[in-house]
Amino acid sequence: EDQVTQSPEALRLQEGESSSLNCSYTVSGLRGLFWYRQDPGKGPEFLFTLYSAGEEKEKERLKATLTKKESFLHITAPKPEDSATYLCAVQAGGNTGFQKLVFGTGTRLLVSP
Amino acid sequence: NAGVMQNPRHLVRRRGQEARLRCSPMKGHSHVYWYRQLPEEGLKFMVYLQKENIIDESGMPKERFSAEFPKEGPSILRIQQVVRGDSAAYFCASSPPNSGGSGYTFGSGTRLTVV
Repeated sequence: EDQVTQSPEALRLQEGESSSLNCSYTVSGLRGLFWYRQDPGKGPEFLFTLYSAGEEKEKERLKATLTKKESFLHITAPKPEDSATYLCAVQAGGNTGFQKLVFGTGTRLLVSP
Repeated sequence: NAGVMQNPRHLVRRRGQEARLRCSPMKGHSHVYWYRQLPEEGLKFMVYLQKENIIDESGMPKERFSAEFPKEGPSILRIQQVVRGDSAAYFCASSPPNSGGSGYTFGSGTRLTVV
């Protein structure tokens, strides 16, 4: 069964204090790994898709990387507005056209000024 | 260009009542997905629909839950005879065809509380 584990569950940083969030996965053939941001009372907002080991994507203070077993979301010099829950999801490969997204439980990030 | 619209945002139902959750996809999106987020759990896939067709309902509970996406109008997730365990946030996402997970746009969700 496809599984996604995110750590830590919660992370508190000072503004400017860089850190990384981890997403470990087991999946029968990876079609894609996705990072989303979720603010309280809102739906997930798409950040990145990674498809193969070694791939990296960047957006402002965020950088996502992928290995064969895990992905990291690096946050460089975070600001209070980066506070949110960050969700990781995987999409398995397969013979059928549709494959659902399997989500982790997220990392709640709080950045203090 | 409005995003995915879900209503109501909050819904309170007594045990045994019916809950109807609506989702209007983004303009130009013909695929709709429903996910449920239970407290302290990750988002779980429920059902994938295209206009007038259920493509994959492998995540739907066998009883009391149904979904539709008619030719005209929003997609509806219907829960009959709700129980306390149905209390959760229900998210709808839409995508254009063949976009994979990166093409998903999520709505803000409907928070169902069963009392």
